Amino acid sequence: RKEVEQDPGPFNVPEGATVAFNCTYSNSASQSFFWYRQDCRKEPKLLMSVYSSGNEDGRFTAQLNRASQYISLLIRDSKLSDSATYLCVVSLASGGSYIPTFGRGTSLIVHP
Amino acid sequence: DTGVSQDPRHKITKRGQNVTFRCDPISEHNRLYWYRQTLGQGPEFLTYFQNEAQLEKSRLLSDRFSAERPKGSFSTLEIQRTEQGDSAMYLCASSLAGTAGGFRTGELFFGEGSRLTVL
Repeated sequence: RKEVEQDPGPFNVPEGATVAFNCTYSNSASQSFFWYRQDCRKEPKLLMSVYSSGNEDGRFTAQLNRASQYISLLIRDSKLSDSATYLCVVSLASGGSYIPTFGRGTSLIVHP
Repeated sequence: DTGVSQDPRHKITKRGQNVTFRCDPISEHNRLYWYRQTLGQGPEFLTYFQNEAQLEKSRLLSDRFSAERPKGSFSTLEIQRTEQGDSAMYLCASSLAGTAGGFRTGELFFGEGSRLTVL
């Protein structure tokens, strides 16, 4: 079983739609959670951190469910510019260090 | 440009040759990570440094791979006797560890990557 699992998609949605991605992680000792965005042939960039109480940044909402070991990302009112791959990142404990571990990413295509 | 820079951006080599990649992190960042990414996959952790100390190395990393970060500044990743399976994008990222030593405050800033093609 992979440490961080994501549905690769693609999720193909029209502009204005609401879309949600989930990500599951296997290590219950995981401490920190993030969503990164990666555009085609570009490097990943931080989209948002995920806090235990859930957090919102404009059209984006992230939530964490420690009991079920998953995090989610909700995008409301999708824009064409939201088309990208969304990477779930979980920091896993390894001998006292925290290693950011990436999922394979979920591809989102927003069409007119 | 004060971001993370990597060199070379592209490298084509023949199987069996050695290659070396360089990463210059953001100057005040004390953590430096190397990842490998292939098409359709997320970045796969290879190794990381805190200052000049290499603290973690992936079990997936064969002994053909070695990384250094002398003086805690730039880092190099060397692959010896390259194989076709080494073809990938090699990404470097840096971050600043938080005052509590935790990862949360250390957003990863990635370079644009070094693309390796082994023929």
